[in-house]
Amino acid sequence: KAGVTQTPRYLIKTRGQQVTLSCSPISGHRSVSWYQQTPGQGLQFLFEYFSETQRNKGNFPGRFSGRQFSNSRSEMNVSTLELGDSALYLCASSSGLEETQYFGPGTRLLVL
Amino acid sequence: GQNIDQPTEMTATEGAIVQINCTYQTSGFNGLFWYQQHAGEAPTFLSYNVLDGLEEKGRFSSFLSRSKGYSYLLLKELQMKDSASYLCAVRDRTNDYKLSFGAGTTVTVRA
Repeated sequence: KAGVTQTPRYLIKTRGQQVTLSCSPISGHRSVSWYQQTPGQGLQFLFEYFSETQRNKGNFPGRFSGRQFSNSRSEMNVSTLELGDSALYLCASSSGLEETQYFGPGTRLLVL
Repeated sequence: GQNIDQPTEMTATEGAIVQINCTYQTSGFNGLFWYQQHAGEAPTFLSYNVLDGLEEKGRFSSFLSRSKGYSYLLLKELQMKDSASYLCAVRDRTNDYKLSFGAGTTVTVRA
């Protein structure tokens, strides 16, 4: 079974721009969670989607948004990028709300 | 939220054993996970504990004591490739089953 895939793997943007990241979960997994990882803050939860509905949201500003499609693929959008948004963005999928999460390779975003 | 504490760094010699401790505080414990993360890569799932006791998987074992809010990950017969960050994560049913991560323990294996 193929693992979680994320595109793009690397991205360079400038302040003020917006970015969209994509995540394809493991086949059959309906839950997708997004995390931001930085050296100073570690892994921080962004949001979780299950069956196209946002179930949970972390403590991030409204510039961070996401959605999930009927095939469980998910996208994350960050508008009006700031330097502090430079991070590794990880997506994880699971078969259910109380199941193990499996991570994708991540998208490394650099904001200049 | 959850307070999840684990040591920042540990160093051990190839072939030795290392134990990484994790303590947590949560009101609705619903499972504890250990992940391994090599530099620049994504976390990979190592183990899951929801009941007290020891779970063994090859060279890696994980222990849980719910009454003490304590877990450890035991790495035996250390190999150079075990040099990585090890993340402890706790799921809380009173927090919408969200997974909260510790800051990670960087293990360095020396020859």
